[in-house]
Amino acid sequence: KQEVTQIPAALSVPEGENLVLNCSFTDSAIYNLQWFRQDPGKGLTSLLLIQSSQREQTSGRLNASLDKSSGRSTLYIAASQPGDSATYLCAVIQGGSEKLVFGKGTKLTVNP
Amino acid sequence: NAGVTQTPKFQVLKTGQSMTLQCAQDMNHNSMYWYRQDPGMGLRLIYYSASEGTTDKGEVPNGYNVSRLNKREFSLRLESAAPSQTSVYFCASSRQGQGRDEQFFGPGTRLTVL
Repeated sequence: KQEVTQIPAALSVPEGENLVLNCSFTDSAIYNLQWFRQDPGKGLTSLLLIQSSQREQTSGRLNASLDKSSGRSTLYIAASQPGDSATYLCAVIQGGSEKLVFGKGTKLTVNP
Repeated sequence: NAGVTQTPKFQVLKTGQSMTLQCAQDMNHNSMYWYRQDPGMGLRLIYYSASEGTTDKGEVPNGYNVSRLNKREFSLRLESAAPSQTSVYFCASSRQGQGRDEQFFGPGTRLTVL
């Protein structure tokens, strides 16, 4: 059974710092991995999708990498801002499956 | 584009009552999903519809039914609500299923069953 772990559960950083969020998964036979952000009381916003054949994806100040063989992904946020404060979730999907398996998220606080 | 919309935003039910959660997407997506989010459990898939006219069970389908009314709309029904169904429910859609495209989520319905 696929399990997704995100460490740390919470992270607090000063504004302007570059930071890395970690995601690990137990079964490397994934089809893709998706990073989301969730603001309190809100829905999930898709940030980046990495297909299993890709090593990384970039969107603005965000860069996500994928290492299938080691079962890891990282989300790099450059020059963090208070508006980046949210919970970040990663999710993986197996080939042929419809089910996204989610981690429990990392709650990020960026202090002004 | 409104993306994925859900109604209602909030609902309080008594045990045994029934209700239907509505979801619609305007992105011409083929696949639609219902998830629930619970503290400490994360998001779990309840049901999905890979294409118009098809529905399948996800990880936690007990106590729920779904209808894919047309390509745009996918509803979730609780026939006899139980306190264990207190949760936040999210609808999502993707252009293609089976992980080939990213999933887009609605704003959620916060349901309390007393």
